[in-house]
Amino acid sequence: NAGVTQTPKFQVLKTGQSMTLQCAQDMNHEYMSWYRQDPGMGLRLIHYSVGAGITDQGEVPNGYNVSRSTTEDFPLRLLSAAPSQTSVYFCASSRTSFYEQYFGPGTRLTVT
Amino acid sequence: KQEVTQIPAALSVPEGENLVLNCSFTDSAIYNLQWFRQDPGKGLTSLLLIQSSQREQTSGRLNASLDKSSGRSTLYIAASQPGDSATYLCAVRQLGETSGSRLTFGEGTQLTVNP
Repeated sequence: NAGVTQTPKFQVLKTGQSMTLQCAQDMNHEYMSWYRQDPGMGLRLIHYSVGAGITDQGEVPNGYNVSRSTTEDFPLRLLSAAPSQTSVYFCASSRTSFYEQYFGPGTRLTVT
Repeated sequence: KQEVTQIPAALSVPEGENLVLNCSFTDSAIYNLQWFRQDPGKGLTSLLLIQSSQREQTSGRLNASLDKSSGRSTLYIAASQPGDSATYLCAVRQLGETSGSRLTFGEGTQLTVNP
């Protein structure tokens, strides 16, 4: 199993550009989530999904969209990038939200 | 609102030492607590998951304990090695929240084991 994979590893955007961060898992997990990690603020939940076709907002959802058309994939879309979205983004998955969480390697995003 | 604190923020020890990392949380109504390891520039690797009904979990040289009533968990690392150098994070899952509820993370303890 590859586990949780994320692409790209690094990305630089200009303010106002849009992009999609990809996340995929091959463990048939129902629950998937996106976090951002910032110095001094720890990891914060952006969006999550409890199964295909079901998504909901986390703690810091503004400026981000998600969809879950398959069990395997959970892309995160930045609609109009802002410097405040400079961060490291992690995708995670688990059998359900109450089980052990498995994290991907992260995407380091810089918005100039 | 749940708050998770990890002390110390950084720790430097000589190789071979046994050490304890601390995690405290303000709301004891948790479902479980998970310890992670994060290497520089990498993702989080799950180390141990303790359910609220458990007192401890062990994996190799790692032992995690949970005292829910006092809002504390410790991660014990025996016979530390330079390869243990990383940031260690703890995270708690609340009871009573929706099925999609978030993990609340501490900011981590940065451990350096010197050869």
